Amino acid sequence: EPEVTQTPSHQVTQMGQEVILRCVPISNHLYFYWYRQILGQKVEFLVSFYNNEISEKSEIFDDQFSVERPDGSNFTLKIRSTKLEDSAMYFCASGKEGQVNTEAFFGQGTRLTVV
Amino acid sequence: ILNVEQSPQSLHVQEGDSTNFTCSFPSSNFYALHWYRWETAKSPEALFVMTLNGDEKKKGRISATLNTKEGYSYLYIKGSQPEDSATYLCAFKDAGNMLTFGGGTRLMVKP
Repeated sequence: EPEVTQTPSHQVTQMGQEVILRCVPISNHLYFYWYRQILGQKVEFLVSFYNNEISEKSEIFDDQFSVERPDGSNFTLKIRSTKLEDSAMYFCASGKEGQVNTEAFFGQGTRLTVV
Repeated sequence: ILNVEQSPQSLHVQEGDSTNFTCSFPSSNFYALHWYRWETAKSPEALFVMTLNGDEKKKGRISATLNTKEGYSYLYIKGSQPEDSATYLCAFKDAGNMLTFGGGTRLMVKP
C-alpha cells in the first residue's frame, strides 16, 4: 500500500542551525502539506502546496520556513535558523484532491529537537 | 482562530465495552470534518471524511455521526478491542486548505 515516508525520524540540531526535513509523498498525489505538533499541544497546520506553489500558510510559517518540491518526488521543509520553540514532531501529508471529500495521508513524522 | 475541541481527553475502557467521544467545531463556514486514528509511532490514519449534515459513516466496529448545524460529531466504537487503543483526532476544514485539529481523545482498552 502506498505511503508517505519522512526522513529522518529524529533530528537533533543546535539553535541557529538550518534543518531540512524530507518527505516523499504518495506518487499520484497533487496536494502536499506540513503540520507540526509541539509536545502536549494540538497538531497545527503550517503550509499547503499545490501546483508548485504555496496555496496557504499559517502564521507559524514565517520567513524562517520554506518548502520545496525539487524533483517531482520529494517535498521538503527547511527551517533556516532554528529556535528552541521549533522543537516538535513535524508531519508531512499528501492528498489526491483538496481535503474536502478526500483524506490526507500522513507520514510517521520527524521529531525535531532543537538544543 | 478556529476552536475545535474533543472530549474526553482520555478514556480507559475494558475490552468489549462500547464507547464514544465528541468533537465540537465551528458551525459556520463548514466544509468537512475528518476523523483520524493515530497509534503511537505510526502515521495518523484517516477513518472518515464527513461533509453533509446528518452524515453517518461506518467502518467495521467504528462509526461516526455529524451535526453541522450545532457543530459536533460523535465517534462510536462498538465492542472495543485492545487494538483500538490509539489517539483519535478530529479535524475541521473550512474554505481554506488547512485542517484544524482538536486535541485528540486517547483511548486505552484493557484486555
